[in-house]
Amino acid sequence: QQPVQSPQAVILREGEDAVINCSSSKALYSVHWYRQKHGEAPVFLMILLKGGEQKGHEKISASFNEKKQQSSLYLTASQLSYSGTYFCGTDAKDSSYKLIFGSGTRLLVRP
Amino acid sequence: DGGITQSPKYLFRKEGQNVTLSCEQNLNHDAMYWYRQDPGQGLRLIYYSQIVNDFQKGDIAEGYSVSREKKESFPLTVTSAQKNPTAFYLCASSIRQGHGSSYEQYFGPGTRLTVT
Repeated sequence: QQPVQSPQAVILREGEDAVINCSSSKALYSVHWYRQKHGEAPVFLMILLKGGEQKGHEKISASFNEKKQQSSLYLTASQLSYSGTYFCGTDAKDSSYKLIFGSGTRLLVRP
Repeated sequence: DGGITQSPKYLFRKEGQNVTLSCEQNLNHDAMYWYRQDPGQGLRLIYYSQIVNDFQKGDIAEGYSVSREKKESFPLTVTSAQKNPTAFYLCASSIRQGHGSSYEQYFGPGTRLTVT
């Protein structure tokens, strides 16, 4: 089942902060985060694993609540380059390994 | 430079024709994936392969076929049985795959297929 992302869209002024959430109804092994600019390929941002391990870009921070099967991506002091669509992908425990992606959160950062 | 290439970038076909989308990687990754993306939607998994000569169906495999004869290549054929083939197709790879792994997926630039 597809994870639910919120909000669906957000508009920021440069320098403002945003939080993007990803919620699953299934127990998870991990959550992946990717950003996609219009017409381009998604680019890896971060992986959050059960047990607290994280892997990703230094300037990106995120959290993973294993008990609630929720993850949040924190974008602080946003820059124009942060604009794009953010997707979370979940690795659920009840299926063979594959990532199920949410429908995305569109972020627009304005000057 | 290592990476994933997909060709062509744009592809136009008439309804009823099969079409094959190319995906090549030189990252020495074991796992490869095909996703479909429709406007305003997330990524939906079509097929994936963990190793040469082995592949599994994803969530929307009907009307598609794949092969994995070489580690670096994972072509996708969109058959005439696919009812709504017009979409953006993305190929990806990772070092390997497995539950709880920390292996990110690297995506190719995509192929935009239009069938009329």
